[in-house]
Amino acid sequence: EAGVAQSPRYKIIEKRQSVAFWCNPISGHATLYWYQQILGQGPKLLIQFQNNGVVDDSQLPKDRFSAERLKGVDSTLKIQPAKLEDSAVYLCASSSLGQMGGELFFGEGSRLTVL
Amino acid sequence: SQQGEEDPQALSIQEGENATMNCSYKTSINNLQWYRQNSGRGLVHLILIRSNEREKHSGRLRVTLDTSKKSSSLLITASRAADTASYFCATDLSGGSYIPTFGRGTSLIVHP
Repeated sequence: EAGVAQSPRYKIIEKRQSVAFWCNPISGHATLYWYQQILGQGPKLLIQFQNNGVVDDSQLPKDRFSAERLKGVDSTLKIQPAKLEDSAVYLCASSSLGQMGGELFFGEGSRLTVL
Repeated sequence: SQQGEEDPQALSIQEGENATMNCSYKTSINNLQWYRQNSGRGLVHLILIRSNEREKHSGRLRVTLDTSKKSSSLLITASRAADTASYFCATDLSGGSYIPTFGRGTSLIVHP
């Protein structure tokens, strides 16, 4: 079974530029999460989707971050314009149990450096 | 805000020794999970313990949960150099939506 796929693995941009990350969850997983992990810290949830609907986006900086999950499968996370403090690893995870709780399957992450 | 907080922040031991990490949380939970993260990689699920369970084992891992103290511990027995990683606990929120929330993690170094 293929795992969670993320791309790109690494991205370096200058502040005020834009960037997009892509995630393809495990087939059949209805729940998809985007987490931001700053160096030395734990993952912080940005947004949670159940199929193509948003369950929680309370910690997503909506003035610059946006995310979509068209057709309830893969997802993109966009940052525009980027700030220095956005330098982090962006982790995508999926789960089959969603609101029932259960194991999250993570991708390898997309490491963003903002100069 | 962080629901779970791991302790200690860093742990350094010799191969063969046991490693114990603790997680404290603030509100009632449905379940608690432990994850491992190797440097530069994604998180990997280790074990899930539900609120009505007190102890769970998986190979060299032993997890306990004390809901009265709102705490959990992860014990790795007979540690190996390959266990070197960061370990995170993740809690959900009882009632309402299930939103997995992670702590800051414990960085474990196992010296060969």
